Amino acid sequence: NAGVTQTPKFQVLKTGQSMTLQCAQDMNHEYMSWYRQDPGMGLRLIHYSVGAGITDQGEVPNGYNVSRSTTEDFPLRLLSAAPSQTSVYFCASSYSNLGKGQAFFGQGTRLTVV
Amino acid sequence: AQSVTQLGSHVSVSEGALVLLRCNYSSSVPPYLFWYVQYPNQGLQLLLKYTTGATLVKGINGFEAEFKKSETSFHLTKPSAHMSDAAEYFCAVSSSGYSTLTFGKGTMLLVSP
Repeated sequence: NAGVTQTPKFQVLKTGQSMTLQCAQDMNHEYMSWYRQDPGMGLRLIHYSVGAGITDQGEVPNGYNVSRSTTEDFPLRLLSAAPSQTSVYFCASSYSNLGKGQAFFGQGTRLTVV
Repeated sequence: AQSVTQLGSHVSVSEGALVLLRCNYSSSVPPYLFWYVQYPNQGLQLLLKYTTGATLVKGINGFEAEFKKSETSFHLTKPSAHMSDAAEYFCAVSSSGYSTLTFGKGTMLLVSP
């Protein structure tokens, strides 16, 4: 049971490049989310999904796209990377609302945009 | 809308001393409250959570927190700090029926010998 797996762990991009951050969970969780962590800012919600085919925006969605075609996977796409997207990205998953379960976090992807 | 305020971006204690990390929240509905810990270059690990019922919640590694509705607070405590407690701690809030979290900005706990 691997939990929540994020790839890659590290990535350097040039401004304007696109890429996809991968997130996979093997716990059959319905709910998945993407957060970004910046120094002194805590974690902020980018996008989330309550099931396959259903996604919604969080607090800081601009510049990011998501889709959820399977229960297991929830990739995050950067369309045209900008230095402001330099951050550590965390994916999380949970069974249902957080009163009944807990969110499990991946180990993070550290992204640098130059 | 929900928000979380963590007082103090850094807290320093001596090994064996009391740990107190402060968290205040704002929520228009009854909140679920969480404390997470993050060790360097790692993901987040749940320490404890409050949903309903007993307002004093015990978590892992000897930590506990008390939900005080009148003060809109959920402070984290540990009677005796250990060197291994040095990490960043995040308080977070969620609303009933939802799966997403609103985090505070974090408090780095430094433990000196």
